[in-house]
Amino acid sequence: GESVGLHLPTLSVQEGDNSIINCAYSNSASDYFIWYKQESGKGPQFIIDIRSNMDKRQGQRVTVLLNKTVKHLSLQIAATQPGDSAVYFCAENKGGGGTSYGKLTFGQGTILTVHP
Amino acid sequence: NAGVTQTPKFRILKIGQSMTLQCTQDMNHNYMYWYRQDPGMGLKLIYYSVGAGITDKGEVPNGYNVSRSTTEDFPLRLELAAPSQTSVYFCASSYETGGETQYFGPGTRLLVL
Repeated sequence: GESVGLHLPTLSVQEGDNSIINCAYSNSASDYFIWYKQESGKGPQFIIDIRSNMDKRQGQRVTVLLNKTVKHLSLQIAATQPGDSAVYFCAENKGGGGTSYGKLTFGQGTILTVHP
Repeated sequence: NAGVTQTPKFRILKIGQSMTLQCTQDMNHNYMYWYRQDPGMGLKLIYYSVGAGITDKGEVPNGYNVSRSTTEDFPLRLELAAPSQTSVYFCASSYETGGETQYFGPGTRLLVL
C-alpha cells in the first residue's frame, strides 16, 4: 500500500487569486518560524520568517501570520502566479538556546498548484 | 558567492558500500547542517555543526558520520549503505546567531540498491 507520507496537503488556485497555506506547529517554546518554497528538483528557498514576539510580517506579495494561542502559522501569497507553484514548508526553531540554536523542525509541506 | 554547493548530484550505491557526500559554503557561515528528505516528506536533521571541530547529532543520525575540519566544508559519510538511506540529502548553512535563516544547497539524490 501507499505510504501516508506521500499524501501531502494540496492547494489549487487560479492565477491572480490569493493563496493561504496553513501550518500547525508543535512546540509552544518555539521562538522563530520560517516559510520555505521548494521547487521540483531544487533545495528549499527562504521566503519569509517571523519571530514569536510578532504576530504578522509582510514581504513582497507574501504575509506570514502567527497565532501563538493555537500554535498556528499561515503564509498568504497575494496575486498568485504560475511561478509560485511549488511545495511550501513551514519550519520552527524550538528555542531553548545553547545547542538548540539553528535546529529547525520542518512540517510535511503543502503542494501549491497555480493554474493559468 | 556560489552559496552552498553539493557533490555529487546523483549517486547509486549497492548495499554495504560507503560514500561521502560533499558540502561546501563560501559565505563564512559558522553553522552547517545535513538533512534528508524522503519522498513527500519534510526535511529531517541528520547532523549539524556550530563551527569547525564541533558537531552534534540531529533527529536521525544513525548510519551517518560527519566531520568539520574547516569552516567551509561539512562532509557527510555513509559507512554501510542500506536501502533505508535512499533519499535526497540537503546541506545548509546559516550565520552564528540562533534561529537565523538557513541557505540550502541543490541536494544529492542517493539510491541504495
